[in-house]
Amino acid sequence: AQSVTQLDSQVPVFEEAPVELRCNYSSSVSVYLFWYVQYPNQGLQLLLKYLSGSTLVKGINGFEAEFNKSQTSFHLRKPSVHISDTAEYFCAAMNNQAGTALIFGKGTTLSVSS
Amino acid sequence: DGGITQSPKYLFRKEGQNVTLSCEQNLNHDAMYWYRQDPGQGLRLIYYSQIVNDFQKGDIAEGYSVSREKKESFPLTVTSAQKNPTAFYLCASSRLAGEGTDTQYFGPGTRLTVL
Repeated sequence: AQSVTQLDSQVPVFEEAPVELRCNYSSSVSVYLFWYVQYPNQGLQLLLKYLSGSTLVKGINGFEAEFNKSQTSFHLRKPSVHISDTAEYFCAAMNNQAGTALIFGKGTTLSVSS
Repeated sequence: DGGITQSPKYLFRKEGQNVTLSCEQNLNHDAMYWYRQDPGQGLRLIYYSQIVNDFQKGDIAEGYSVSREKKESFPLTVTSAQKNPTAFYLCASSRLAGEGTDTQYFGPGTRLTVL
């Protein structure tokens, strides 16, 4: 992957509302795609990943993402958010070649309020 | 439990001093990585290593050095040449491609503050 763009730096939503965090990538080759979540002062936890096969990927905590090759997108969705989903979310991509490193987006802060 | 440990969690350094951040993994992963995180900038790759005694520079290697003498360990030294070292540092590890997913797993991070 050459770059990853997260289109929203902050997304405020109310509890139980649906949410979509947008991610676009650019690459001249096939890629693997990932979403990570980071809670304050902690490391990154893998939410889900797309390697191949079905374009709809389900992850932990009720999140899912859809790989769209024609739009070079990998948007993250959840139908009903909780206060505990408040965190920073990172989209990342990697070329599907041996030993290449991850390219990260700049992150989206999801703030869930009651 | 398998995982990645980083120490210390918080580190304070005076200007002009070198400091070393520890990263250890017991996941039997071949590859290890160091990232720097600054607010609003995401994660940027400093160095990575795919095998023992070998490592490559990432996007922002200037002012940093690493070693990989053991498979389990990948310490990062922040030298006095690093102009703005205050940041959150994250270590990660993964299997190599060809063995599966190549997913990177992250440690809890070290927050470095230069006084």
